[in-house]
Amino acid sequence: NAGVTQTPKFQVLKTGQSMTLQCAQDMNHNSMYWYRQDPGMGLRLIYYSASEGTTDKGEVPNGYNVSRLNKREFSLRLESAAPSQTSVYFCASSEGDPGREKLFFGSGTQLSVL
Amino acid sequence: AQSVTQLDSQVPVFEEAPVELRCNYSSSVSVYLFWYVQYPNQGLQLLLKYLSGSTLVKGINGFEAEFNKSQTSFHLRKPSVHISDTAEYFCAVSYTGGFKTIFGAGTRLFVKA
Repeated sequence: NAGVTQTPKFQVLKTGQSMTLQCAQDMNHNSMYWYRQDPGMGLRLIYYSASEGTTDKGEVPNGYNVSRLNKREFSLRLESAAPSQTSVYFCASSEGDPGREKLFFGSGTQLSVL
Repeated sequence: AQSVTQLDSQVPVFEEAPVELRCNYSSSVSVYLFWYVQYPNQGLQLLLKYLSGSTLVKGINGFEAEFNKSQTSFHLRKPSVHISDTAEYFCAVSYTGGFKTIFGAGTRLFVKA
């Protein structure tokens, strides 16, 4: 049971570089999410996808883009990385009523932007 | 707008002692409440959730939480903690049909021998 798989686990970028964080889930969930975790701030929602083919902004979308490639995969792209984007990024998925059902999380990507 | 406040950023406690991690929320609509746990270098896992019904909710690993509507609180408790309970705990609030689960800032529980 893989659950939610994120790659890479660690990444160091220079300011202005771009990169894509990959996420895949094997639970046939409709909804997928990208969160960032910063010390003292908990998790904040960047973008979510309610179903294949749809994406919507969360609380902190600036500087990010997403693609829901198919039902399994949901990627997060940083077009021009900034030091403020240094964070731990988590992908998650859920099924059913998104408010009632629990989120399944990946193990995270630790990103440092120098 | 919904918000979640975890009243303690860190809670040190001795092994086999009881612990309470406090959570307050604000919302203008009916909410669902969750506690998640994050062990070092891992993603979050659900401990328990309150949707409706009995205000005392039991979760995994001996944890329980009580929903108090009048005080808008959802405190997490365990009568006797183990070293293995050392982790960060997040309170979260959501609502039916809502995709934007709101998380608190987290409480780091440190269990000492």
